[in-house]
Amino acid sequence: KNEVEQSPQNLTAQEGEFITINCSYSVGISALHWLQQHPGGGIVSLFMLSSGKKKHGRLIATINIQEKHSSLHITASHPRDSAVYICAVKRGYGGSQGNLIFGKGTKLSVKP
Amino acid sequence: NAGVTQTPKFQVLKTGQSMTLQCAQDMNHEYMSWYRQDPGMGLRLIHYSVGAGITDQGEVPNGYNVSRSTTEDFPLRLLSAAPSQTSVYFCASSYIGRVYGYTFGSGTRLTVV
Repeated sequence: KNEVEQSPQNLTAQEGEFITINCSYSVGISALHWLQQHPGGGIVSLFMLSSGKKKHGRLIATINIQEKHSSLHITASHPRDSAVYICAVKRGYGGSQGNLIFGKGTKLSVKP
Repeated sequence: NAGVTQTPKFQVLKTGQSMTLQCAQDMNHEYMSWYRQDPGMGLRLIHYSVGAGITDQGEVPNGYNVSRSTTEDFPLRLLSAAPSQTSVYFCASSYIGRVYGYTFGSGTRLTVV
């Protein structure tokens, strides 16, 4: 079983819809990251969370440490949000504990 | 602009050839790492470094070599390329510590024929 699981694997939405992507993990963590990768593009860091909730524009990320679960929400989705969204966790701070463990990603397609 | 610079963006190699993928950052990050991204597999760690002179293996190190002679540079060497090394490679860097995010390079698409 993978240490970081994302759902759904693929998601198609209509423009304007509210979108939720989920991430569950099975290890103790110091931080959780949400990343975005556009087709053929590089990887951009969206959020880093260790507790609670963060908001940036139409994107909201939440984390529940006790339940080992995080969600990424997109409000009023737009075709330019079409990308792969990747959840990654970091277990600790030093040595190999500082390495990221990645989910397999959620491919989002927003239709106009 | 500050960030992580990866070169080349695209490369085609013949089986058995060697090459070096370059990664440089200008943010004075202690931590640098190399990943490969394959369809359906997610990103997998190849090698990482927590400072100049210090490197260690990740999940899939076989066939790859790294060195870290300076804080800025972390090259990845393919010793004898194999078709199984066809992939997209990303370099990333970060400060070491709890509150810092990661900066990724733009990737290198490598094809081994």
